[in-house]
Amino acid sequence: DTGVSQDPRHKITKRGQNVTFRCDPISEHNRLYWYRQTLGQGPEFLTYFQNEAQLEKSRLLSDRFSAERPKGSFSTLEIQRTEQGDSAMYLCASSSGESSGNTIYFGEGSWLTVV
Amino acid sequence: GDSVTQMEGPVTLSEEAFLTINCTYTATGYPSLFWYVQYPGEGLQLLLKATKADDKGSNKGFEATYRKETTSFHLEKGSVQVSDSAVYFCALIPGFQKLVFGTGTRLLVSP
Repeated sequence: DTGVSQDPRHKITKRGQNVTFRCDPISEHNRLYWYRQTLGQGPEFLTYFQNEAQLEKSRLLSDRFSAERPKGSFSTLEIQRTEQGDSAMYLCASSSGESSGNTIYFGEGSWLTVV
Repeated sequence: GDSVTQMEGPVTLSEEAFLTINCTYTATGYPSLFWYVQYPGEGLQLLLKATKADDKGSNKGFEATYRKETTSFHLEKGSVQVSDSAVYFCALIPGFQKLVFGTGTRLLVSP
């Protein structure tokens, strides 16, 4: 079990550029989550997938953000026309989705700096 | 709505001191409760969990007991080490299966 993997770990981009993050969940986990964390704050929920279906999106996820999980395995999170306020760590997590004691495992995160 | 409240940090302790980090929650139904730890520049690692009232989660010397009557899940450790310095997040999963986090408590342990 290799854990949740995220790529890239760090990204510096100019304001207005597009960025994409990739997440590979733990094998056979059917639920995949994206969270955003800014300095000194707890993670905030962005969206989650059950297999390939995107079941919930936070109002934090503006129209510039889009997430996909096309084959129910890896997922991508794209941010278009980045703004300085998008600077944060983007965390991916996965779980098996079992109703009892559902445990969510996180990756190492992808740091985004918009300059 | 569902929420988690943690004590403000930083908590500053000397090595081998006793640790308590308070966590209380508001939730409908019967959530599962978690403590996650985050070391500098890293993602979140699951520290322990409890899924029903009176359950005690434990790991690496840390413990927390699910107290439904006081809606609390306080984290404790009998003797902290410098390596325990990190940010600790209390979290819950209510009925709809996504984690709700507290704001985190930074622990600083000095030799």
